[in-house]
Amino acid sequence: AQSVTQLDSQVPVFEEAPVELRCNYSSSVSVYLFWYVQYPNQGLQLLLKYLSGSTLVKGINGFEAEFNKSQTSFHLRKPSVHISDTAEYFCAVSDEAGFKTIFGAGTRLFVKA
Amino acid sequence: GAGVSQSPSNKVTEKGKDVELRCDPISGHTALYWYRQSLGQGLEFLIYFQGNSAPDKSGLPSDRFSAERTGGSVSTLTIQRTQQEDSAVYLCASSLSGAPNEKLFFGSGTQLSVL
Repeated sequence: AQSVTQLDSQVPVFEEAPVELRCNYSSSVSVYLFWYVQYPNQGLQLLLKYLSGSTLVKGINGFEAEFNKSQTSFHLRKPSVHISDTAEYFCAVSDEAGFKTIFGAGTRLFVKA
Repeated sequence: GAGVSQSPSNKVTEKGKDVELRCDPISGHTALYWYRQSLGQGLEFLIYFQGNSAPDKSGLPSDRFSAERTGGSVSTLTIQRTQQEDSAVYLCASSLSGAPNEKLFFGSGTQLSVL
């Protein structure tokens, strides 16, 4: 069965600093990987996804993530964050065996002025 | 509407009562998911419907939880004899065909408070 581990529950960072939110997954078959974002008082929306091909995936709002099969990781990065990036970020995995999408516990990103 | 619609947006109930939560997926989406979001627990998978296939109920936490999907569209999640630990935000999501590489479209959720 798939599983997802987000190693940091909260990440405080100053505005314009770089950030990395970590995600590790487990699955016995080929996977599809996603990052979703939940802004305060809003619903979840897709930030980016890895399906196949290039291991570096670019998403909305300047975020990118890199799929690393050997380390079973899919860390999310942004070189320079804004106050408006304050939100909760969820890593998710699905695969051809289970079909359903499984989410991690989430990482709350606080961007400080 | 164009998005996933959930009702009610808030529900306060007394311990031991039954509750029903409703989800209207995006028109034409054949896959529907229920998740539970609790503080510090992330999104916990509950149940997954895909077309006319038997639902994947592997995430339901106890036999007090059940869900149905009528006519391949609207879904109702029922919690019987509610307990305080059932308090959470219940999220519904849908996708076009249920393929594992598709993005999910989420509703705004139902905030359930069990007193």
